Amino acid sequence: SQKIEQNSEALNIQEGKTATLTCNYTNYSPAYLQWYRQDPGRGPVFLLLIRENEKEKRKERLKVTFDTTLKQSLFHITASQPADSATYLCALGTDSWGKLQFGAGTQVVVTP
Amino acid sequence: SAVISQKPSRDICQRGTSLTIQCQVDSQVTMMFWYRQQPGQSLTLIATANQGSEATYESGFVIDKFPISRPNLTFSTLTVSNMSPEDSSIYLCSVEWDRGRQETQYFGPGTRLLVL
Repeated sequence: SQKIEQNSEALNIQEGKTATLTCNYTNYSPAYLQWYRQDPGRGPVFLLLIRENEKEKRKERLKVTFDTTLKQSLFHITASQPADSATYLCALGTDSWGKLQFGAGTQVVVTP
Repeated sequence: SAVISQKPSRDICQRGTSLTIQCQVDSQVTMMFWYRQQPGQSLTLIATANQGSEATYESGFVIDKFPISRPNLTFSTLTVSNMSPEDSSIYLCSVEWDRGRQETQYFGPGTRLLVL
C-alpha cells in the first residue's frame, strides 16, 4: 500500500540549532515533493518544491533534499527561531494535475 | 500569490443535516481542490473541481455525499450531506498557482466542522 511517513513525535529544539525533519514514502513515484508549514487553525502554507531530478533546494534558512533511491526527503531549518514553531507537512505530487498526497506532519517546537 | 477565503470559518451542525462551504479566490484559477483534515491526521484530497466540468472524486468520496459546484473561475462550494459525527473535520479548499513555473498550491483558512 502507499504510505507517506513523517515523524509523529514532536521535535523539540533549542533556538539557533538546526531542525531536521524526514519524509519517507513507499509505493509512490513522485514527480515532485513539496513542504508546507501549518499553524494551528490555519491552512498549510507552501514553503519549497523539489523535483525528482533535483537533489537539493534552498530558500533562506530552509533546505530540502530528495533521494528517490531511498524514497526520502529531508527538510532542514537552520538557525531555528521560536517563530519557526509549527507543523511541517510533506506532500507528494504524482501527476501533472496538481493532486497532492500529504503526510501527517511533524510538529516542531523551538524554545528560546 | 492567491488569496483564498472560506465561509463559514466554523460551524456546529446536527446529525442528518447538510452544510455548504464556500471558497472564494481573488484571482481566476483553473483548478481548485477540496481537502479534509481530521483531527491529528493528514490532509486527504476529496475532489478536484474544474470550472465547466464535473468534479473528479478520489477513492472513498462520492458525489452524493460531497456535491461540489464550480460556477466560475473564482468560486466553488462543497456540501457535506447527511452529516454524521464522523464528518467532523476541517475542510480546506486550495488552488493551484503559477502553473508552468512550479506546482504551488495555496490553501484557504479552512472550515472547522463539528457534527453532534
